[in-house]
Amino acid sequence: NAGVTQTPKFRILKIGQSMTLQCTQDMNHNYMYWYRQDPGMGLKLIYYSVGAGITDKGEVPNGYNVSRSTTEDFPLRLELAAPSQTSVYFCASSYSSRDGAKGTEAFFGQGTRLTVV
Amino acid sequence: TQLLEQSPQFLSIQEGENLTVYCNSSSVFSSLQWYRQEPGEGPVLLVTVVTGGEVKKLKRLTFQFGDARKDSSLHITAAQPGDTGLYLCAGRYGGSQGNLIFGKGTKLSVKP
Repeated sequence: NAGVTQTPKFRILKIGQSMTLQCTQDMNHNYMYWYRQDPGMGLKLIYYSVGAGITDKGEVPNGYNVSRSTTEDFPLRLELAAPSQTSVYFCASSYSSRDGAKGTEAFFGQGTRLTVV
Repeated sequence: TQLLEQSPQFLSIQEGENLTVYCNSSSVFSSLQWYRQEPGEGPVLLVTVVTGGEVKKLKRLTFQFGDARKDSSLHITAAQPGDTGLYLCAGRYGGSQGNLIFGKGTKLSVKP
């Protein structure tokens, strides 16, 4: 059972470079999320999506972009990498019915450790 | 501004001790969840509380949701070294059901 798969697991970027963090899930979940986790800290929501074609900003969206062309995939794009974007990035997914999202479990990938130098 | 405040941030105790971790907010949440995260891994769900005043037990872990649905607590009885990890509370708030927000977490270390 694959669940939520993130690639790559590790990446080093130079300042100003761009990259895409890939995330795919095989659970047919409608909700997907991107978080960043700085050392010793909790998770901060970057972007989320409630379904294909729909995305919305979270707490810390600046410097990032997302797209959701399919139910399975939710890539996160960094256009001009900055040292402040050094972090561990987690993708997650969950299923919510139309009548609300109460109690729905979010399943997480293994994370992508990104260093910007 | 942190919507979900967790305390304490760090906790180091001996095996067998009891402990309580708190998650507080000024906002009302439709549900609150507790996750546990181990180093190098993503968070894994422990429990979800939905109803104000709700109490749920998971072996030695007891979770409570405040009556006003603004706070929650996690109590561990007779902590074991295997309980070591980062405990995160998470909640959904506002008009968007997709807005799952996490607290900063409590890093627990249980020494044998």
